[in-house]
Amino acid sequence: AQSVAQPEDQVNVAEGNPLTVKCTYSVSGNPYLFWYVQYPNRGLQFLLKYITGDNLVKGSYGFEAEFNKSQTSFHLKKPSALVSDSALYFCAVRVANAGNNRKLIWGLGTSLAVNP
Amino acid sequence: KAGVTQTPRYLIKTRGQQVTLSCSPISGHRSVSWYQQTPGQGLQFLFEYFSETQRNKGNFPGRFSGRQFSNSRSEMNVSTLELGDSALYLCASSSGTAAIAGELFFGEGSRLTVL
Repeated sequence: AQSVAQPEDQVNVAEGNPLTVKCTYSVSGNPYLFWYVQYPNRGLQFLLKYITGDNLVKGSYGFEAEFNKSQTSFHLKKPSALVSDSALYFCAVRVANAGNNRKLIWGLGTSLAVNP
Repeated sequence: KAGVTQTPRYLIKTRGQQVTLSCSPISGHRSVSWYQQTPGQGLQFLFEYFSETQRNKGNFPGRFSGRQFSNSRSEMNVSTLELGDSALYLCASSSGTAAIAGELFFGEGSRLTVL
């Protein structure tokens, strides 16, 4: 079955330190991968995506993600965390069903807490 | 450019009632998707509409339905509400190409509480 996993429910990091939020996936074919962020009581915001090309993708707010095909992973990273980065982060992968209708499958989310 | 607008933001219903939620997409976006977000299940895809046609549907019972109007505004309806329907319902819009690529613009959601 096609799926996305975010193995950590919560990640804690000190302000100024690097952060990593992990995501692994299982899909057939070449994956389209995404990261979204959700701030409290808000909708989700698109951060970045990987479709093809360079394995290191740069996105909004200084975030980047590294696509690793052999490990089927797409971890989100930032060199220096800010308190304002504290939010819920979702990884998603685009899948297509037998009728070639596409939809996103989402991980359960990782809550990032950046401590001052 | 105005973002995705969802109404109402908060509502409380009782079991057995029905509810209609509304979503106005970003101007020019023809694709609208609906998601249910709960703490235990994360984001679950409900359905997607493009140019008034349902293009994709998730694994929800028939009590959940939706439609899209000619101006791309969308509504979703849940009939015979159950306690388990309490959730944040998110609407997302996209241009056609971006929808295929998966880049979505979300509203702030409608938080439904069923008592």
